[in-house]
Amino acid sequence: ELKVEQNPLFLSMQEGKNYTIYCNYSTTSDRLYWYRQDPGKSLESLFVLLSNGAVKQEGRLMASLDTKARLSTLHITAAVHDLSATYFCAVRLISSGSARQLTFGSGTQLTVLP
Amino acid sequence: DGGITQSPKYLFRKEGQNVTLSCEQNLNHDAMYWYRQDPGQGLRLIYYSQIVNDFQKGDIAEGYSVSREKKESFPLTVTSAQKNPTAFYLCASTSLSGALWTEAFFGQGTRLTVV
Repeated sequence: ELKVEQNPLFLSMQEGKNYTIYCNYSTTSDRLYWYRQDPGKSLESLFVLLSNGAVKQEGRLMASLDTKARLSTLHITAAVHDLSATYFCAVRLISSGSARQLTFGSGTQLTVLP
Repeated sequence: DGGITQSPKYLFRKEGQNVTLSCEQNLNHDAMYWYRQDPGQGLRLIYYSQIVNDFQKGDIAEGYSVSREKKESFPLTVTSAQKNPTAFYLCASTSLSGALWTEAFFGQGTRLTVV
């Protein structure tokens, strides 16, 4: 069974500071995803990471993947209030004969304080 | 514009009543999924379907039923057997064509409340 763990679950940070969210998963997978969710809203895709060593950046967010360590990170640089949201990582489960499901972490609720 | 449409946005259910949540996509995606999200929690898979007339149970299928009569549509019925249905329900779809399987696209969600 694939387990996905995120930490921290809650994160309050000052504007302008840097921080990293971690996503660990338990079994081999070939794709990792980061999503953003605003309160009461659906999920917005941020990044898709397809291979070991993959790094993607969009604005103040940078995601990386280490498949050997089964670890992905989402790094926030010089946080601004607009980044306040809940961030989820999700890992694709590969099993023969089944649809390729996504297993989600519990999410990291980020609050950026002025 | 292509996308996934869920309806209604808000739904109220009385005790013992069945309700059906709609999910329609025009992305020509093969697979469709239903997730449940409780406050402050991640997403848990209820059911998924990778082809018309076929679907599989996810992690929390008890008290729910689905159908996949058309590629575009994957309705979810919350039955009276689901004792705690109040939650936010998200529908998603993906392509299953090799490299095209890149990400899941989500609908806007249905918030179900038991009254």
